[in-house]
Formats: sequence, structure tokens, C-alpha cells
Amino acid sequence: EDQVTQSPEALRLQEGESSSLNCSYTVSGLRGLFWYRQDPGKGPEFLFTLYSAGEEKEKERLKATLTKKESFLHITAPKPEDSATYLCAVPQHGSSNTGKLIFGQGTTLQVKP
Amino acid sequence: GAVVSQHPSRVICKSGTSVKIECRSLDFQATTMFWYRQFPKQSLMLMATSNEGSKATYEQGVEKDKFLINHASLTLSTLTVTSAHPEDSSFYICSAEVSTRQFFGPGTRLTVL
Repeated sequence: EDQVTQSPEALRLQEGESSSLNCSYTVSGLRGLFWYRQDPGKGPEFLFTLYSAGEEKEKERLKATLTKKESFLHITAPKPEDSATYLCAVPQHGSSNTGKLIFGQGTTLQVKP
Repeated sequence: GAVVSQHPSRVICKSGTSVKIECRSLDFQATTMFWYRQFPKQSLMLMATSNEGSKATYEQGVEKDKFLINHASLTLSTLTVTSAHPEDSSFYICSAEVSTRQFFGPGTRLTVL
């Protein structure tokens, strides 16, 4: 069964304190791993798509990496505005499109000034 | 980037009434849209896939007669929660796919009294 597990569930950092979020997945025939940011009461905002092991993508203070079994979202020198819930997701196995996503439970990040 | 809107952003209704939620793609056409539900402190769960001009496909455990989906045009999908009950209170989010990326709407908060 396809599964996505994120850890930790919650993370509190001081401003400037770098850390990493983990997303472990089990899915047959990975067709992409997606990272999203979700602010309270809002829909998810697209961050990255990773397709193959060894791939890395960066955006401002965020860098996403992918291995055969997990993905990491590295946050370098975070700022309070980086506080949000970070979700990872993979397309359901057997689905003909990438919209049928299986989401992890998310990591809620709080960055204190 | 592609923009997806939802209306209303929040709705409060009495038990037994029906509520319609609209999902629009503002600057692109979407033959397929997706409806997700998110309960407090939980991640997004796919409810159904909305296909323009044809019947929606529902995930296991989602009652198609309770959650009516209509995708009458390439820019509009609607979700109608029929005979709503308090347990249907949730955050409903739609998404559409553009070039293998999923873009999400801002969500609709439904509260059933």
C-alpha cells in the first residue's frame, strides 16, 4: 500500500537555526514527490517536485533532496515567515495523472524571532 | 503561475441543508480537477476526481450521493454537500493539474450546526 510518513510532527526553531524535515515514502513506481507549504486556513502552495534519487531543488532558504526511500526539506537560517505546515505528497500508484495525491501528515514548523 | 479560486471561503449551515462549493481555474483550462477534505490537525484526503463532461470518480468510502460533483465547463467544478450533518464540517480544497503540477484553491471552511 502506498504510504507517506513525515517527521517530526512539529518543529520549533529559533530564527537562524537550520534544520531538516523528513518525508519517507513507500510507493511502487514513483512518479514524482511533491513538497507543499500550507498556511493556516489556506490551500497548499507548491514548492518543489522531485523525480529521481539524487535530485535537488532550491528556493530561497529551502532545499529539497530525494533518495530512493525518502526526501528531506532543508531549511537554512529560517525566518519567522517560514512558519507553516510543510506537506509532502506522492501520486497514487496506478493513477493516470498526478492529481491523485497521497499526502503525509505534515510537519508544522514554528520559527521564533 | 496557475490560479485556482474557491467560493465561498467559509460557510455555516444548518444540519439537513445542502451546500454548494465552487472551484474555478482562473487563467487556464482544467479538464480534471480534484476535491480534497482536511479535518483539523490532519492532512489532505482525496475525495474524488472531477472530469469535465463526464461523471466524477470517487475514492473508496466517499458517498457519491452525498457529495455531488459537477464539472460542466473547463474552468468550473462544483461540489455539493447534500443533507449536511455536523460530521461533514471540514476544510474542502480543490486542485487542478497544470504541466504535472497540482495547484490548489484557497479552501472552503464548512461548518454544519
